[in-house]
Amino acid sequence: AQTVTQSQPEMSVQEAETVTLSCTYDTSESDYYLFWYKQPPSRQMILVIRQEAYKQQNATENRFSVNFQKAAKSFSLKISDSQLGDAAMYFCARTQGGSEKLVFGKGTKLTVNP
Amino acid sequence: EADIYQTPRYLVIGTGKKITLECSQTMGHDKMYWYQQDPGMELHLIHYSYGVNSTEKGDLSSESTVSRIRTEHFPLTLESARPSHTSQYLCASSHGSLHQPQHFGDGTRLSIL
Repeated sequence: AQTVTQSQPEMSVQEAETVTLSCTYDTSESDYYLFWYKQPPSRQMILVIRQEAYKQQNATENRFSVNFQKAAKSFSLKISDSQLGDAAMYFCARTQGGSEKLVFGKGTKLTVNP
Repeated sequence: EADIYQTPRYLVIGTGKKITLECSQTMGHDKMYWYQQDPGMELHLIHYSYGVNSTEKGDLSSESTVSRIRTEHFPLTLESARPSHTSQYLCASSHGSLHQPQHFGDGTRLSIL
């Protein structure tokens, strides 16, 4: 089975500091897409950032950036200047088999301490 | 905020009942998806549709069924609910272009007694 592994069930960070969430995945494909989604408590899951595997440049969206290491099959998310509103479950996901289907990791619960 | 709506948000119902979980989106997205998510766990794809009259089963086997008669509507039905169906069900949609991000609804938390 092609899996996505998030090795950190829970993480915490102080407000205004930086935190990195890890994600590794298994694939035999050369072209695929990677995503980080955020799921706040009792709220909609929303996209944080997207990375195309054939692009070497790491994606960034304001305070969110990724460290994409294709050979290592690693896709970590860095959150800079953490805010209380960043507290949520974060899920890493990748496309499967050249399709629109996504395979998700188990998630990392991020707590932001004031 | 994405314009995708799920009803009900919460449902507690007895074993053997027929249940339909509603999902509608107003974005004109061709692709729609149903995921099952147990507490603290990952999402598992149970159904998807790439357009009207197109439905496919996902990677996780499910006793539920879906239909796609209209672009904006993708209901999920359980003919006879069982306690093992207790879970959260998330609906999502995406634009027709390849690998566009999926937009999610708020989910339905289903409890079967």
